[in-house]
Amino acid sequence: DQQVKQNSPSLSVQEGRISILNCDYTNSMFDYFLWYKKYPAEGPTFLISISSIKDKNEDGRFTVFLNKSAKHLSLHIVPSQPGDSAVYFCAAPDSGTYKYIFGTGTRLKVLA
Amino acid sequence: DTEVTQTPKHLVMGMTNKKSLKCEQHMGHRAMYWYKQKAKKPPELMFVYSYEKLSINESVPSRFSPECPNSSLLNLHLHALQPEDSALYLCASSLQAASGLYNDQFFGPGTRLTVL
Repeated sequence: DQQVKQNSPSLSVQEGRISILNCDYTNSMFDYFLWYKKYPAEGPTFLISISSIKDKNEDGRFTVFLNKSAKHLSLHIVPSQPGDSAVYFCAAPDSGTYKYIFGTGTRLKVLA
Repeated sequence: DTEVTQTPKHLVMGMTNKKSLKCEQHMGHRAMYWYKQKAKKPPELMFVYSYEKLSINESVPSRFSPECPNSSLLNLHLHALQPEDSALYLCASSLQAASGLYNDQFFGPGTRLTVL
């Protein structure tokens, strides 16, 4: 079974600096990952995805890196803005199914 | 249009009430999902519909009854809920019920349910 871990429950970063959010997974049979941003009392907003055919995917200020050998991915936000303050979830497919397993989330606070 | 809509935004119900949550998408997606999210926890999958047929039921109690009347609509019928069922209920959709490219899941804003 897939397990997805986000070991940092929270992160504070100064405005304009880089935010790096990390995610580790256990099962690499299906290497496709999603990142979501979630504000309180709202549904998650899809941010960016990456598949195993790449080790990097970029969309504006957001870049996701995939290290397949380490079963690790990271989301970089640069420059960080106060509006980026939210909880960020990574998600990975469960082995043999199309069910996504979500990490526990990292609460990012960008300080003005 | 990458929008998934959900109604109502908030719902308060007693343990003997019957109510329904509604979800709609017009992206041509053929997979639709119900998730439950408690505070400070990740979303937990409840049901998956693929081409209007129930594909996955994550051992959800029968007091939650999903329905997919057509490819754009997904309902969740609620009956005899317990206070511990209070949570944010999220609907999501994707092109198909599969992981991988072009099957990113898009979420609605959720329904905040309180069971008294």
